[in-house]
Amino acid sequence: DAEITQSPRHKITETGRQVTLACHQTWNHNNMFWYRQDLGHGLRLIHYSYGVQDTNKGEVSDGYSVSRSNTEDLPLTLESAASSQTSVYFCASSESTRHNEQFFGPGTRLTVL
Amino acid sequence: AQKITQTQPGMFVQEKEAVTLDCTYDTSDQSYGLFWYKQPSSGEMIFLIYQGSYDEQNATEGRYSLNFQKARKSANLVISASQLGDSAMYFCAMRDGYSTLTFGKGTMLLVSP
Repeated sequence: DAEITQSPRHKITETGRQVTLACHQTWNHNNMFWYRQDLGHGLRLIHYSYGVQDTNKGEVSDGYSVSRSNTEDLPLTLESAASSQTSVYFCASSESTRHNEQFFGPGTRLTVL
Repeated sequence: AQKITQTQPGMFVQEKEAVTLDCTYDTSDQSYGLFWYKQPSSGEMIFLIYQGSYDEQNATEGRYSLNFQKARKSANLVISASQLGDSAMYFCAMRDGYSTLTFGKGTMLLVSP
């Protein structure tokens, strides 16, 4: 069965370190997304991609970067982790048609000390 | 400006009763989509139901229905015959661009025996 996976599921890091969160989908979807979830804010869009070599900034992109070298993967990098980036991170993917739902990964809980 | 508003931080309902979770949205697009997702305590995001702006009928998926009132810009989720397993956080989301979603802050539903 097709799926979307994230790794690691839990990560503790220190302020200033570079961190990369992996997202891998086997749906063969062109669209991929990264969100962060914080109490009181719902899910907020960080970055998204509509295909290989395409990346776009979302609502809360400062301090994050993504790259898309193939269809299956969209890794999220925190260049220099800050305590404000402690959050739960969700990756999602969808087909290219306008109204298809997004399928979400299980999430990564990141703690920055 | 907030695009998706969920005014109920928490809702309580007894098992087997129906419950309505409110969602209002704001967009100037004519073509858009409205989604509801469920997030149980385990953390995963589960797609429930979708309504397109041009759909004339209210969407239904099993015990879930979406009460779509376009003129009022509301897209309330109705859960009939609540079950204990319906206890979760529920998010309303809107797509008014190509593929990105904007989420509300969520409503926590607790179903009591």
